[in-house]
Amino acid sequence: EVQLVQSGAEVKKPGESLKISCKASGYSFTNFWIGWVRQMPGKGLEWVGVIYPADSDPRYSPSFQGHLTISADTSIGAAFLQWSSLQASDTAIYYCARLGDGYSYGSWGQGTLVTVSS
Amino acid sequence: QSALTQPPSASGSPGQSVTISCTGTSSDVGGYNYVSWYQQHPGKAPKLMIYEVNKRPSGVPDRFSGSKSGNTASLTVSGLQSEDEADYYCSSHAGSNNLGVFGGGTKLTVL
Repeated sequence: EVQLVQSGAEVKKPGESLKISCKASGYSFTNFWIGWVRQMPGKGLEWVGVIYPADSDPRYSPSFQGHLTISADTSIGAAFLQWSSLQASDTAIYYCARLGDGYSYGSWGQGTLVTVSS
Repeated sequence: QSALTQPPSASGSPGQSVTISCTGTSSDVGGYNYVSWYQQHPGKAPKLMIYEVNKRPSGVPDRFSGSKSGNTASLTVSGLQSEDEADYYCSSHAGSNNLGVFGGGTKLTVL
């Protein structure tokens, strides 16, 4: 069974750094793209970016390029989303998901709530 | 990449059918047969309901169906049940970077 398990909720102050994780199991981690999706409070879904773990090739939505970093560690089967300097506007739930047939995402993590507040 | 256009809300009574539209451009919905639909209940992760315009993943009831005409895709829920009340998002492949584009979401209410 494909499973994506995300790290727990985080509360941070503006300007702080953060790295959240998405641990995959039940399939060959290197062979499938992993995507990250943002959902701000009460709002819709937005693509943040994707990564192909086999070559750690991240691609970002223009709205997020330069503000965060997507990475993967094939030795532990995990993908990561990282900020060097958080802003209050980063407050959201972040989901990871595995790319499957027809560019669809059939397996999702449970989401990580990131709260940035002074 | 601009978001796909969905109506903010839709509703129907139990047993009825409801259709949710998703309008894009020739660069996304109209250009590829890679439209997906996701159901999201409050406080839960999205769930894939339809992929490649009209295919259902294992376990998704056949009450859910998808179609596409030109730059507009549609999700139809037949025989509405109370558990179908949720937010629904369409998504389409948009070419480069393996990044898709989402619709703004439709809140489906079962009256």
